[in-house]
Amino acid sequence: AQSVTQPDIHITVSEGASLELRCNYSYGATPYLFWYVQSPGQGLQLLLKYFSGDTLVQGIKGFEAEFKRSQSSFNLRKPSVHWSDAAEYFCAVGSFGNEKLTFGTGTRLTIIP
Amino acid sequence: GAGVSQSPSNKVTEKGKDVELRCDPISGHTALYWYRQSLGQGLEFLIYFQGNSAPDKSGLPSDRFSAERTGGSVSTLTIQRTQQEDSAVYLCASSIDRGEAFFGQGTRLTVV
Repeated sequence: AQSVTQPDIHITVSEGASLELRCNYSYGATPYLFWYVQSPGQGLQLLLKYFSGDTLVQGIKGFEAEFKRSQSSFNLRKPSVHWSDAAEYFCAVGSFGNEKLTFGTGTRLTIIP
Repeated sequence: GAGVSQSPSNKVTEKGKDVELRCDPISGHTALYWYRQSLGQGLEFLIYFQGNSAPDKSGLPSDRFSAERTGGSVSTLTIQRTQQEDSAVYLCASSIDRGEAFFGQGTRLTVV
C-alpha cells in the first residue's frame, strides 16, 4: 500500500537557524512528490515539486527539497528560517500509474526568537 | 473559475441534522479529493474521484458520510445525522494527471 510518513509532528527552531523536515514514502512505482505549506488560517500552498531529473529541487520562499530514491525520502530544507515560516507543512506523493496523491499528516513548525 | 471553490465557507448545524458541502473544482481537472482537517490536526483523507472510475471511498469514517461527483465536475460531500466529532474544516482539492493538487479554502463545519 502507498504511504507517506512525516515522522515529526511538531518542530521548533530558532529564527535564523537551518531547517529540515522529513518525509518518507512507500511506493511501488516511480514517485513524484510535493511539499505544501499551510499558514495559520490559510489554505494549502504548493512550495515545490519533483517529477524527474535533478533530484534537488528549488521552491518558493527559499525552500528546497532533495529526492533520495535509496532512502525513499524527500526532505524539505531551508538554510535560515524566518518567523513567517511558522506553519504546517505537508508532504504528498503520487506515482506514475497511480495518480492518486497521498498526503502525510503534516509537521507543525514553530519559530522562536 | 480560477481556483477550487467551496461553499459554504462556514456552516453551523445542530447535532443530528444533515449537511451538504459543495466543491467546484478547476475546469478540466479530472481528479477530485476531499480531506478533513480537525483543529490542530493534519489532513485526513476522505474520498478520491478520478475521471469515470469508481471513487476511492476508503477514507470515509462512517456510513454517515457520502460523496458524489456529477458530470465529472462538481462534487457534494454529505454528512447525515451530524455529530459533534464531525466538526472540522473540510477541504476539497482537484488536479490533473500527474499534477499538483489545488486546494479550496475549505468549509468550516461546526456541529452544536
